[in-house]
Amino acid sequence: QSVLTQPPSASGTPGQRVTLSCSGSNSNIGILTVHWYQKLPGTAPKLLIRHNDQRPSGVPDRFSGSKSGTSASLAINGLQSEDEADYYCAAWDDRLRGAVFGGGTKLTVL
Amino acid sequence: DVILMESGGDLVQPGGSLRLSCRASGFSFSDYAMSWVRQAPGKGLEWVSGVRGSDGIRYHADSVKGRFTISRDTSTSTLSLQMNGLRVDDTAIYYCAKSSVGDYIESMDVWGKGTTVIVSS
Repeated sequence: QSVLTQPPSASGTPGQRVTLSCSGSNSNIGILTVHWYQKLPGTAPKLLIRHNDQRPSGVPDRFSGSKSGTSASLAINGLQSEDEADYYCAAWDDRLRGAVFGGGTKLTVL
Repeated sequence: DVILMESGGDLVQPGGSLRLSCRASGFSFSDYAMSWVRQAPGKGLEWVSGVRGSDGIRYHADSVKGRFTISRDTSTSTLSLQMNGLRVDDTAIYYCAKSSVGDYIESMDVWGKGTTVIVSS
């Protein structure tokens, strides 16, 4: 059972907008920032969004992040086939004194 | 280029020990937090351990506390993970990762390719 909760799966068609959710608590997302990672099979994770809504250089502006209260969202506009991957949210947990990941959402592009 | 290169993964018996290393290059090693993150077969990402860049304070996940120890050598820009009392459920690919800014352990912008640890009798 992960500290951060993500739906296990999501799907969309090319060109569509999809939103992935991440739910936490007042010891992590509620008081600290959220980060999002993309994981493709056989490759290392890639940082997509840091500190709730900041895109590292090189990340397409189709990806955006937001946070409200103890929840966060990753939105992907103009879905493309190469976006098919696992997506993880992460945060620091002040009670656990460590970083925590969500269980991940497997995104399928239909 | 910023590069992280892990080594040390191996097949080990339950109860055994292993030491992973991560050689860093292309950035000021002591200015950034560093972490180990693992992914077990068919499972999600799990943060294992981290060390802050500014003061060297170390953190470990509850699942490895008392068994694993993270350390860093700033003179050789090397991050290490000493793994004792290994269990079957420690089997995973272990990634070394660098924080995107300062001591934000949970925000990791550069990752190594990973090294595989298999715990089995």
